[in-house]
Amino acid sequence: ETVMTQSPATLSVSPGDTVTLSCRASQSVSSNLAWYQQKPGQPPRLLIYGASIGATGYPTRFSGSESGTDFTLTISSLQSEDSAVYYCQQYNDWPPTFGQGTRVEIK
Amino acid sequence: EVQLVQSGAEVKKPGESLRISCKASGYSFTDYWIGWVRQMPGKGLDWMGSIYPGDSDTKYSPSFQGQVTISVDKSSNTAHLQWRSLKASDTALYYCARSGSGYNYPSAEWGQGTQVTVSS
Repeated sequence: ETVMTQSPATLSVSPGDTVTLSCRASQSVSSNLAWYQQKPGQPPRLLIYGASIGATGYPTRFSGSESGTDFTLTISSLQSEDSAVYYCQQYNDWPPTFGQGTRVEIK
Repeated sequence: EVQLVQSGAEVKKPGESLRISCKASGYSFTDYWIGWVRQMPGKGLDWMGSIYPGDSDTKYSPSFQGQVTISVDKSSNTAHLQWRSLKASDTALYYCARSGSGYNYPSAEWGQGTQVTVSS
């Protein structure tokens, strides 16, 4: 099973900041990596798939990148509505596995 | 519009059985894998297993193999997640999610979640 490790666990940021969330896979997952946003009381929302492809209707301030087994989600010009937990997920191998999440808090 | 509508919250006692459901609409039900995801209180996401309604091909994550049963009813475009004997540790929020034409796809559509509480 591929283990996904996210860092940091929590980020406290101000509106307008640019934030970077990291996700590392324990083995190659190719580009089969997705990012989800989950707000309290809501199901996860797909933001990015294929490591860097924006999902339909996603805000363009969210972008994804990859370098080997390291993946990054960047949120530019952070808005208050971006307060949420963000999960990475590899879907290259069975079973699909999620990172433990990064909580983004707005100061 | 693709929609996944899940059944309502359940409160059960340990040892009881339970089946929750996920009714799909807005697309060809038999052409896409549907998975089930567990979220324990205050925790992250765990993929439990997936099923392809077209031929009922089912895959389970090792942690959930033998613990739950995933099935579909093609006549009602509904996927089910079933327990034969619930434990307190099954208390969680359960989501269904649509994958792609293969199980190794991300999930853009999710149900609203079904809260399952197991307590004596």
